[in-house]
Amino acid sequence: AQSVTQLGSHVSVSEGALVLLRCNYSSSVPPYLFWYVQYPNQGLQLLLKYTTGATLVKGINGFEAEFKKSETSFHLTKPSAHMSDAAEYFCAVSVNFGNEKLTFGTGTRLTIIP
Amino acid sequence: DSGVTQTPKHLITATGQRVTLRCSPRSGDLSVYWYQQSLDQGLQFLIQYYNGEERAKGNILERFSAQQFPDLHSELNLSSLELGDSALYFCASSVGTGVSTGELFFGEGSRLTVL
Repeated sequence: AQSVTQLGSHVSVSEGALVLLRCNYSSSVPPYLFWYVQYPNQGLQLLLKYTTGATLVKGINGFEAEFKKSETSFHLTKPSAHMSDAAEYFCAVSVNFGNEKLTFGTGTRLTIIP
Repeated sequence: DSGVTQTPKHLITATGQRVTLRCSPRSGDLSVYWYQQSLDQGLQFLIQYYNGEERAKGNILERFSAQQFPDLHSELNLSSLELGDSALYFCASSVGTGVSTGELFFGEGSRLTVL
């Protein structure tokens, strides 16, 4: 079975600083990897996804993530944090493209310090 | 707006009771997923339906059941409720065919409080 581990349930960064949210996956087959964001009192929405091809994927709101097979990682980054980035971020994995039963990590709450 | 509609948004009930949560997927989406989000368990997959048929089952209790109707809306039934069932229940939908983007579209959730 596949799983993801998100390191750090809470991350705080200053406005304008680099955002780095960590995600490691476990899968016996090539995984499909996702980052979702949840703003307060809202549902989750897709930030970005890796399926096949280029290992550096760009998403919405300036976020990007790099799939590193050798490290079984899919860390999320943003060069410069904005106050509006404060939210909870979930890494997720699927092994069946076309059947999107995702396994989510426990989430990382990102706080932006003014 | 994801296009996925969930009702009710908030629900308060007592232990031992039964509730029904409703979900209308995005127009054209054939797959519906139910997830439970709680502080201690995180986001847990409960069950998936595709075009009216159960496709996958996750950590869904026997006290819980779901179905997807011919118009593709779905209902999650929770019975003999316990305090620990208090959580945010999300519905999500996707195209669910062989041509897929791999993306789930989530509703805003139904917050269940069991007293």
